[in-house]
Amino acid sequence: QQQVKQSPQSLIVQKGGIPIINCAYENTAFDYFPWYQQFPGKGPALLIAIRPDVSEKKEGRFTISFNKSAKQFSLHIMDSQPGDSATYFCAARYSRDDKIIFGKGTRLHILP
Amino acid sequence: KAGVTQTPRYLIKTRGQQVTLSCSPISGHRSVSWYQQTPGQGLQFLFEYFSETQRNKGNFPGRFSGRQFSNSRSEMNVSTLELGDSALYLCASSLSDTPGYGYTFGSGTRLTVV
Repeated sequence: QQQVKQSPQSLIVQKGGIPIINCAYENTAFDYFPWYQQFPGKGPALLIAIRPDVSEKKEGRFTISFNKSAKQFSLHIMDSQPGDSATYFCAARYSRDDKIIFGKGTRLHILP
Repeated sequence: KAGVTQTPRYLIKTRGQQVTLSCSPISGHRSVSWYQQTPGQGLQFLFEYFSETQRNKGNFPGRFSGRQFSNSRSEMNVSTLELGDSALYLCASSLSDTPGYGYTFGSGTRLTVV
């Protein structure tokens, strides 16, 4: 199955909280897992990415946790701010045809 | 450093017409990919070009086509427009020679078919 299932569809978190967005996949031929952030009227911007041989990666306030055996990965945003309010997409690169498959997105709203 | 530039930003076309969208990648990027974004289907891959050659193609009908020029600029064309083609069309360029890595997206062209 060349799908990436993302949850939740929407998320509301208080400022300073830690929103967590989860993604799951079934096919083990995925070899690269990026996360994108999209603001209204803009294209998605690459936030952070991980490969399946790494269990965690941090860049600033953003952390990816990767569980290869469970075929799941998640994005955590530490000390969330209202400026983090955006739509977040997980994605996976399918190594057999080099295509990037995107999740359906999570609309995140951080309350001030 | 200039980002990925897509023109026009907005477009309204009538069903049955054709449309051409343009994408100028970041200088030095030879890979250009196109995506269709809709609320229902999310981001769907259209095609990818590298050094003027189509390297990969998604599951869209033949009405959707593209090309890349020697300066890496790319165009996509949709012929015989249908109402369902209304979407945000995104272009992404990459420095990587390997497909799928390090995309930088433009802000997109919002196409409305009436």
